[in-house]
Amino acid sequence: NAGVTQTPKFRVLKTGQSMTLLCAQDMNHEYMYWYRQDPGMGLRLIHYSVGEGTTAKGEVPDGYNVSRLKKQNFLLGLESAAPSQTSVYFCASSDSTLAKNIQYFGAGTRLSVL
Amino acid sequence: AQSVTQLGSHVSVSEGALVLLRCNYSSSVPPYLFWYVQYPNQGLQLLLKYTSAATLVKGINGFEAEFKKSETSFHLTKPSAHMSDAAEYFCAVSAGGTSYGKLTFGQGTILTVHP
Repeated sequence: NAGVTQTPKFRVLKTGQSMTLLCAQDMNHEYMYWYRQDPGMGLRLIHYSVGEGTTAKGEVPDGYNVSRLKKQNFLLGLESAAPSQTSVYFCASSDSTLAKNIQYFGAGTRLSVL
Repeated sequence: AQSVTQLGSHVSVSEGALVLLRCNYSSSVPPYLFWYVQYPNQGLQLLLKYTSAATLVKGINGFEAEFKKSETSFHLTKPSAHMSDAAEYFCAVSAGGTSYGKLTFGQGTILTVHP
């Protein structure tokens, strides 16, 4: 029972490089989310998706793009990485529009931008 | 708009002592409230949630939290701390309606348990 799987687990980039983080869920959830976690700031929502082919901006979307071409996958892209994007990135999924429903999280991707 | 404030970025207790992690929220609509726990190098997992049923909510691993509307609080407690409780704890709020289940997290509280 995999749940939410994130790849890669670790990555080091140089300033200006690009990369894509992959999130895959096997629970047939409609909603998916990308967060970044920084010390003392909790988790902040970057982008989210309410279904295949739809995406929307969260709290801190600048410098990131996302795509949801398949229901089970949610990709987070950094076109030109900056040191300020050094963070731990978490993907989550949820199975309903209801606010009371639980989000299930992946194990995270640790990204360092030098 | 909604927000969460966790009082105390670090809490240290002795094994067997009471654990109290504080969370206050702000929401313009009746909120749904959550506590998540993050063990080192892992993702977040749900401890418990309040969804407008009973105000005292019991979660996993002996944790519970009480929703107090008058105090806009949702503090997390455990009567007797165990070494395995050492982790970072996050309080989160979600509004109803068309919020699409978006969560707003507090800053997190790191719990240390001493032998």
